[in-house]
Amino acid sequence: NAGVTQTPKFQVLKTGQSMTLQCAQDMNHEYMSWYRQDPGMGLRLIHYSVGAGITDQGEVPNGYNVSRSTTEDFPLRLLSAAPSQTSVYFCASKRGILINEQFFGPGTRLTVL
Amino acid sequence: DQQVKQNSPSLSVQEGRISILNCDYTNSMFDYFLWYKKYPAEGPTFLISISSIKDKNEDGRFTVFLNKSAKHLSLHIVPSQPGDSAVYFCAATVSGSARQLTFGSGTQLTVLP
Repeated sequence: NAGVTQTPKFQVLKTGQSMTLQCAQDMNHEYMSWYRQDPGMGLRLIHYSVGAGITDQGEVPNGYNVSRSTTEDFPLRLLSAAPSQTSVYFCASKRGILINEQFFGPGTRLTVL
Repeated sequence: DQQVKQNSPSLSVQEGRISILNCDYTNSMFDYFLWYKKYPAEGPTFLISISSIKDKNEDGRFTVFLNKSAKHLSLHIVPSQPGDSAVYFCAATVSGSARQLTFGSGTQLTVLP
């Protein structure tokens, strides 16, 4: 199993550009989520999904969209990038909503100029 | 308002000695606590957890202690090894429909050879 994979590893955008961060897992996990990590802030939840077709907002959802058309994939879209979205983004998954431990991908480092 | 706090951004310990990482929380609804370890350019990996019905959980060199009355938990690593040098995140969750994780800001542990 590859676990949780994320692409790209690095990305530089200009303000106003759009892009999609990809996340996939091959563990047949129901629950997937996106976090951002900023210095001194820990990891903060952006959006999450408890299953295909179901998504919900986390702590910091503004400026981001998600969809979950398959169990395996959970892309994160930035419609109009802003410098405040410069961060490291982590995707995570877990077997079910009643499970506490999550598995994380390697992260995408995004810089918005 | 940070509900999970790690007040020490960094900690240095000599190889072979004990490392103690601390975490405080404010939300009395939290009933499950986790520690994650993160190396540079990698995603966090699950290390150890504890339910609020326990006050101690041990896994090899790692022990987590929970003091509910003080809303405090700690991670003990003994003996510390150079490979333990990483950022350690404390996380907490409320047993519920989605079991979101709330993370602390992390502590950089450096184990000196």
